[in-house]
Amino acid sequence: EIVLTQSPGTLSLSPGERATLSCRASQKVSSSYLAWYQQKPGQAPRLLISGASSRATGIPDRFSGSGYGTDFTLSISRLEPEDFAVYYCQQYGSSPLTFGGGTKVEIK
Amino acid sequence: QVQLVQSGAEVKKPGASVSVSCKASGYTFTSYAISWVRQAPGQGPEYMGWMNIYNAHTNYEEKFQGRVTMTTDTSTSTAYMELTSLRSDDTAVYYCARVRGNYHYHYMDVWGTGTTVTVSS
Repeated sequence: EIVLTQSPGTLSLSPGERATLSCRASQKVSSSYLAWYQQKPGQAPRLLISGASSRATGIPDRFSGSGYGTDFTLSISRLEPEDFAVYYCQQYGSSPLTFGGGTKVEIK
Repeated sequence: QVQLVQSGAEVKKPGASVSVSCKASGYTFTSYAISWVRQAPGQGPEYMGWMNIYNAHTNYEEKFQGRVTMTTDTSTSTAYMELTSLRSDDTAVYYCARVRGNYHYHYMDVWGTGTTVTVSS
């Protein structure tokens, strides 16, 4: 099973700042099959990125994903008030599909 | 728009079973698989398995084998997930989600509204 470790656990930033979130896999993620989701309190996860770097429909271009192999990054170029949430990565290159433990982006 | 609307919250006793429904709208139901994911309080999501709506083929994660059953009623565009022999650590929000990618290796592009299942004596 591929274990995904997200860091930091919590990121305290101000609106307008850049956020950089890390997702590290215990083994290589095949074909860069990595997705990122955003979750706000009381809501379901929302797909942001698939294939490590492809934005989902309707996702603003301030969100970008990168990485390959075992190290992946989600960047938010300029934080908007609605971006403060928890972010999860998920690998789908091997079974079982697994999720990371999440990074909370909070207002500083 | 594409929507997955789930059934309401459930409270069950240990050893009981729960069935959660997931009604799809806004797309051709048989063209996409449905997966099920749960999230315990304060934890990250946990993948349970998926179902090919077109041919009813299922694939369950090993952890849930023997306790979970996924079914579908294509006449009402509804997917179901039943979990038996409930324990306290099954307390979680259960989500259905539409599958993208290939069937075995996929991500989820639309998520259901969530169903809170509480297991308590």
